[in-house]
Amino acid sequence: GENVEQHPSTLSVQEGDSAVIKCTYSDSASNYFPWYKQELGKGPQLIIDIRSNVGEKKDQRIAVTLNKTAKHFSLHITETQPEDSAVYFCAASKGGYQKVTFGIGTKLQVIP
Amino acid sequence: DTAVSQTPKYLVTQMGNDKSIKCEQNLGHDTMYWYKQDSKKFLKIMFSYNNKELIINETVPNRFSPKSPDKAHLNLHINSLELGDSAVYFCASSQGSEGYTFGSGTRLTVV
Repeated sequence: GENVEQHPSTLSVQEGDSAVIKCTYSDSASNYFPWYKQELGKGPQLIIDIRSNVGEKKDQRIAVTLNKTAKHFSLHITETQPEDSAVYFCAASKGGYQKVTFGIGTKLQVIP
Repeated sequence: DTAVSQTPKYLVTQMGNDKSIKCEQNLGHDTMYWYKQDSKKFLKIMFSYNNKELIINETVPNRFSPKSPDKAHLNLHINSLELGDSAVYFCASSQGSEGYTFGSGTRLTVV
């Protein structure tokens, strides 16, 4: 089955700096890669996703990149703000109704 | 509000009891899920239903039984609760291959 590795497990950055979270996946048939943000006491929320036919996608301060050959994908947050502090999860699936496999999560702390 | 709603938010119960968690979505999605999040925040799928039919059933003890009366509802019944069942249980829904919408979670504590 699919295996998703995520690092780092914790990340502290100064407000205004950039944050990068990296994930690798094992199943070359995976073609859908969502990212979720989980704030304290809440459920995970989809913040951005990318499919295997695209190498990069941006949404304001958030961007995701995908390297299919290396089976890597990354989340980039620029100009971080205190409200970006949360646990971030990467995930991978083969699309459709296939199982989504999550990484272990990265706890991001943005220091004001 | 369009959302995934699950009840109760907190559930404290004794070992050996039977309990249910309810989930409803008004997003018109065709697929619903139950995930378990342990104390280390790891998210593990338990079940998935598409239009009331079970499509994913991970290695979960038989004490856990999902029920989907219609595509907008997916309930989780747990028999003979054990200490190790303590976790946060998330319901989620999706449409086709789109991303998930999660509920706010049910924190189950077995004492």
